[in-house]
Amino acid sequence: GESVGLHLPTLSVQEGDNSIINCAYSNSASDYFIWYKQESGKGPQFIIDIRSNMDKRQGQRVTVLLNKTVKHLSLQIAATQPGDSAVYFCAENRGGATNKLIFGTGTLLAVQP
Amino acid sequence: GAVVSQHPSRVICKSGTSVKIECRSLDFQATTMFWYRQFPKQSLMLMATSNEGSKATYEQGVEKDKFLINHASLTLSTLTVTSAHPEDSSFYICSAIAGISSTDTQYFGPGTRLTVL
Repeated sequence: GESVGLHLPTLSVQEGDNSIINCAYSNSASDYFIWYKQESGKGPQFIIDIRSNMDKRQGQRVTVLLNKTVKHLSLQIAATQPGDSAVYFCAENRGGATNKLIFGTGTLLAVQP
Repeated sequence: GAVVSQHPSRVICKSGTSVKIECRSLDFQATTMFWYRQFPKQSLMLMATSNEGSKATYEQGVEKDKFLINHASLTLSTLTVTSAHPEDSSFYICSAIAGISSTDTQYFGPGTRLTVL
């Protein structure tokens, strides 16, 4: 079946380095993508989103890149901090009337001091 | 940003009892609310979509008679786990959106940890 998946289940980086978290999706009809951060025992927190008519969007210390040709999404975090340690999920909205989000499997980002 | 709350944050119950979880949008009216379930170290799995005043739409494999959803107002949805069993132990998370566009942000609640003994 169609799904959103991640290449790396765990990513360990040094504090101050840049982090790149990847996500592959399979539904070419998806028109909206979101990255969420989830800390242990908490609900997902919105980080950044991107529409399918864009290939890059920047926020504060974060950048999302969308490559529709290969159905790939990435989240770049600049100058990673210990507070960035969490599980990161990509999610796709396949549009239509339901606005359902399909979540990827998640990547645990571990920031080493 | 918009705030979504859940109550309770944690609940422990005996097998066979029913548990009700509330999801509230505190500063906006939610056209749609969603209920997710998350097992340890796994992703969020959508259970059902709830619109105010109408019956919830359940995802394939989710028992609607076991997971009762009521969306009585634009700011409140409840999930009742009926006759809970240990395998129902999980992290239940709700989300809410204010609009109807596919690009409207979904705001998530803090989750409810259910433990069934």
